[in-house]
Amino acid sequence: GENVEQHPSTLSVQEGDSAVIKCTYSDSASNYFPWYKQELGKRPQLIIDIRSNVGEKKDQRIAVTLNKTAKHFSLHITETQPEDSAVYFCAASLSYGQNFVFGPGTRLSVLP
Amino acid sequence: KAGVTQTPRYLIKTRGQQVTLSCSPISGHRSVSWYQQTPGQGLQFLFEYFSETQRNKGNFPGRFSGRQFSNSRSEMNVSTLELGDSALYLCASSWLAGERETQYFGPGTRLLVL
Repeated sequence: GENVEQHPSTLSVQEGDSAVIKCTYSDSASNYFPWYKQELGKRPQLIIDIRSNVGEKKDQRIAVTLNKTAKHFSLHITETQPEDSAVYFCAASLSYGQNFVFGPGTRLSVLP
Repeated sequence: KAGVTQTPRYLIKTRGQQVTLSCSPISGHRSVSWYQQTPGQGLQFLFEYFSETQRNKGNFPGRFSGRQFSNSRSEMNVSTLELGDSALYLCASSWLAGERETQYFGPGTRLLVL
């Protein structure tokens, strides 16, 4: 089955700097890759997603890139702010009723 | 649209008891998935229901079971509770007409087993 690895497990950046979190997946048939942000005590919330027919997607300060050949995808956050501090999860999924497999999460701390 | 709701939000049980958790998906969503979240294990998939049928199942013992009703509401049951079952249980719903769609999470039920 699918296996998703995520690095780093913790990441500290200065406010205003960029943060990059990388995930790798094992099943080349996976074709949908969402990213979730979970603040302390709250539910995971989708922040951006990408499908396998797209190499990059951007939404304001957040972007995701996908390299299908290497089977990895990355989350890029620019101009980080203290409110970006949270745990970020990547996930991979096949179509047609296959379940999501989540990475173990990255705890991002944005230092003022 | 109203978001995914879960009840109860908090629950305290003792070992050996059983518990039932409920999840109401976003209106129109037909797929409901359940996850167990613990500090050490992250988000682990329990099972997914679609149109009242269990479509996928994770690697959890048979003490964990679920079902989905015709209105897409779902319940999960854990029998013979163990201390290690203490966790945040999250459900997520999606439309899932064919191509994989985004999952939206509920607030979770925090279960503490004493």
